[in-house]
Amino acid sequence: DTAVSQTPKYLVTQMGNDKSIKCEQNLGHDTMYWYKQDSKKFLKIMFSYNNKELIINETVPNRFSPKSPDKAHLNLHINSLELGDSAVYFCASSHPGPQGSQYFGPGTRLLVL
Amino acid sequence: SQQGEEDPQALSIQEGENATMNCSYKTSINNLQWYRQNSGRGLVHLILIRSNEREKHSGRLRVTLDTSKKSSSLLITASRAADTASYFCATDAGNQFYFGTGTSLTVIP
Repeated sequence: DTAVSQTPKYLVTQMGNDKSIKCEQNLGHDTMYWYKQDSKKFLKIMFSYNNKELIINETVPNRFSPKSPDKAHLNLHINSLELGDSAVYFCASSHPGPQGSQYFGPGTRLLVL
Repeated sequence: SQQGEEDPQALSIQEGENATMNCSYKTSINNLQWYRQNSGRGLVHLILIRSNEREKHSGRLRVTLDTSKKSSSLLITASRAADTASYFCATDAGNQFYFGTGTSLTVIP
């Protein structure tokens, strides 16, 4: 009955590879997000999707692309991985609007070697 | 640019004491939220305060918001060892949502 789930939990890969992280929420929320948390715990929003439309796209490299097959899923694809991509990636979901507190997944720890 | 800055960066107190952490932000907001992050885990929503509210309580948590100063504070009363975590403020300015830099709280048993 996990509200927001992410897979995998850990991801270790070589530079240049392409990888995906999956996210699913069973809360019926309309909006989903991807965040990157660096080693200093700074959280940066990368993307958000509302009803399958991208509504925030921060200045992240275009090697990162979100894919939302339906309202309950928002996957993150990363092409040509670089060392600086090593971080913890969090998925979150919320109802839209000012009432929308966010529910976070457990995070995916990505290490690029 | 980042919206929220938190102060202090780190705080260490004895169990039973109160912990206060502050958040300052830069632009007008719809609401401000506080989250907790335990080590190695995702963030957990604690409390939301709307821009037209000045104070809000939830259990041992008390949040204040001063929109004229663009600042908020989170007070945790009668702290417990289990309160040890990082605490983040987050500002919702419509289509922009930013987290602060976080305060790392250690409660010593």
